[in-house]
Amino acid sequence: DTEVTQTPKHLVMGMTNKKSLKCEQHMGHRAMYWYKQKAKKPPELMFVYSYEKLSINESVPSRFSPECPNSSLLNLHLHALQPEDSALYLCASSQSGTPLFFFGPGTRLTVL
Amino acid sequence: GDSVTQMEGPVTLSEEAFLTINCTYTATGYPSLFWYVQYPGEGLQLLLKATKADDKGSNKGFEATYRKETTSFHLEKGSVQVSDSAVYFCALSERSGSARQLTFGSGTQLTVLP
Repeated sequence: DTEVTQTPKHLVMGMTNKKSLKCEQHMGHRAMYWYKQKAKKPPELMFVYSYEKLSINESVPSRFSPECPNSSLLNLHLHALQPEDSALYLCASSQSGTPLFFFGPGTRLTVL
Repeated sequence: GDSVTQMEGPVTLSEEAFLTINCTYTATGYPSLFWYVQYPGEGLQLLLKATKADDKGSNKGFEATYRKETTSFHLEKGSVQVSDSAVYFCALSERSGSARQLTFGSGTQLTVLP
């Protein structure tokens, strides 16, 4: 299994909603990442988890809350988002010691 | 810090034309280099990679050679097809602390006309 899965594919939420994005991989990778991508722009790194510990937080607003319950699963909890947070949210994983990143298909988020 | 500079787009070509998308990088160590492709409405797909100087990555008719002396990793294809229309991102990966990070270029939109 060389796949990163993300659910849901699409999400529409209001500014007062709480929702979560889910990412899963079963490749035994110990580093997992959240990226945010606006249309026609490169992905921007949000968070990095290494061995289930948060190792990088790129000054992301607290309305985004990551969680890594185990080595296969990565969540992104969303609360009180703004319309400008509408974007494609990409999850990726990599194995320690190798430069290869595996990306999921993304969750397209729309905040109304 | 590390950075990737990529040819500005958009690029519009006729089918069967030759494609070059320029990419240069700045890095402190010895990065691995990648080209990713993103088709409309989809996520990122790894197109090709090179992990050391003079390596040539190739896939689906696309090629790129890791040139340390010019810090470049230009993407080429001899004959593009309409189905190659997509956004192409050059990227590098270096170890940062306990995990590697990917640094992306700004992306180049390619449109191939029949």
